[in-house]
Amino acid sequence: DGGITQSPKYLFRKEGQNVTLSCEQNLNHDAMYWYRQDPGQGLRLIYYSQIVNDFQKGDIAEGYSVSREKKESFPLTVTSAQKNPTAFYLCASSQTASGANVLTFGAGSRLTVL
Amino acid sequence: GENVEQHPSTLSVQEGDSAVIKCTYSDSASNYFPWYKQELGKRPQLIIDIRSNVGEKKDQRIAVTLNKTAKHFSLHITETQPEDSAVYFCAASLAGGTYKYIFGTGTRLKVLA
Repeated sequence: DGGITQSPKYLFRKEGQNVTLSCEQNLNHDAMYWYRQDPGQGLRLIYYSQIVNDFQKGDIAEGYSVSREKKESFPLTVTSAQKNPTAFYLCASSQTASGANVLTFGAGSRLTVL
Repeated sequence: GENVEQHPSTLSVQEGDSAVIKCTYSDSASNYFPWYKQELGKRPQLIIDIRSNVGEKKDQRIAVTLNKTAKHFSLHITETQPEDSAVYFCAASLAGGTYKYIFGTGTRLKVLA
């Protein structure tokens, strides 16, 4: 099951702690994305990156940070500033940042704040 | 802002019947409309997509139709099977070389045996 690998699959965090979710892809895709999935709210874009060393805020970037030091990797840090971080997080990639290209998703990471 | 409305939120059908899920988008510049299927605990997977220069596309039991004038697009599943049970998401992408996909809120389809 290659393509995009997310880790960990499940993560528990105490309030006030930062956590980092890993996303690695071996598809040679230029663009990578982080989405948050909550029940009844579909997929909401947190951050995206079109090329290495560049990234842009999505619709719900507050309380999150990312980096794109390598083409293959796009880690997401959920900071203590995120008020309601319990959610399912999906990483995705596409060949280019054009809207006409297919998103390929990872298997997701479920974060629970205790 | 741009949004995609998806209906219904839940849908139960008898095995062998058809299922239809509808989406409406707000930005007339959108030109690409994918549908994703997400089984319980798994990643969303693309099942079919359509571009704005086409009105209908079929792939075996699945079809998608697009009405650009009304800004509607729909997913049709015929001869439903229990393995079709999942959450289905529609999306619309904005034209002009931008990244953005706007997703609908999802439809949970249950196929009753």
